Amino acid sequence: QVQLVESGGGLVKPGGSLRVSCAASGFTFSDYYMSWIRQAPGKGLEWISHISESSTNLFYADSVKGRFTISRDNAKNSLFLQMDSLRAEDTAVYFCARLDIVTTALDYWGQGTLVTVSS
Amino acid sequence: SYELTQPLSVSVAPGQTATITCEGDNIGGKHVHWSQQKPGQAPILIIYRDNIRPSGIPERFSGSNSGNTATLTISGAHAGDEADYYCQVWVSATAVFGGGTKLTVL
Repeated sequence: QVQLVESGGGLVKPGGSLRVSCAASGFTFSDYYMSWIRQAPGKGLEWISHISESSTNLFYADSVKGRFTISRDNAKNSLFLQMDSLRAEDTAVYFCARLDIVTTALDYWGQGTLVTVSS
Repeated sequence: SYELTQPLSVSVAPGQTATITCEGDNIGGKHVHWSQQKPGQAPILIIYRDNIRPSGIPERFSGSNSGNTATLTISGAHAGDEADYYCQVWVSATAVFGGGTKLTVL
């Protein structure tokens, strides 16, 4: 079965950096686009980035463009999000999700990892 | 920027039908996806491309989309359906989510 497991969240100071990861299993990772979506405490879902199967196409929300970098390692079935110049408003649970490019649906989600930006 | 508007909350009596709307400019011209999120859990896709249920999602969940409104309908609602529901579309390679609707079954 499809499994997505995020890791790497934690407490970081404003202006700091953090890299979160997503380990995928149960499907052919290299055949799928992958996305990151976040959810601030008590708030709704916010899409922040996605990456094509071979990393050729990268897309970012304006709120993170220039500060966050999405990447993937198909040999290790892993997705990454490098977050730099972090701000208090980046505090959220970060979910990775599989994107089925045929249906355009985010069809499987991980449980998320909490990133807290605070001094 | 494109916006999707959902009611903050919807209440339904057990066994009755709940309707959750998602409004957006000419949303009928886009494909709408719906996800369910229970407290402390990850979202689960329950409807994609307006009205298609993924494998394992009960027939009680259905969707429609026309004009400026997409609708998620939950028939025979029960306590286990209490959750936040989000609609989502793609606009210029950007995913846009509605603000979410909290469904209460009481």
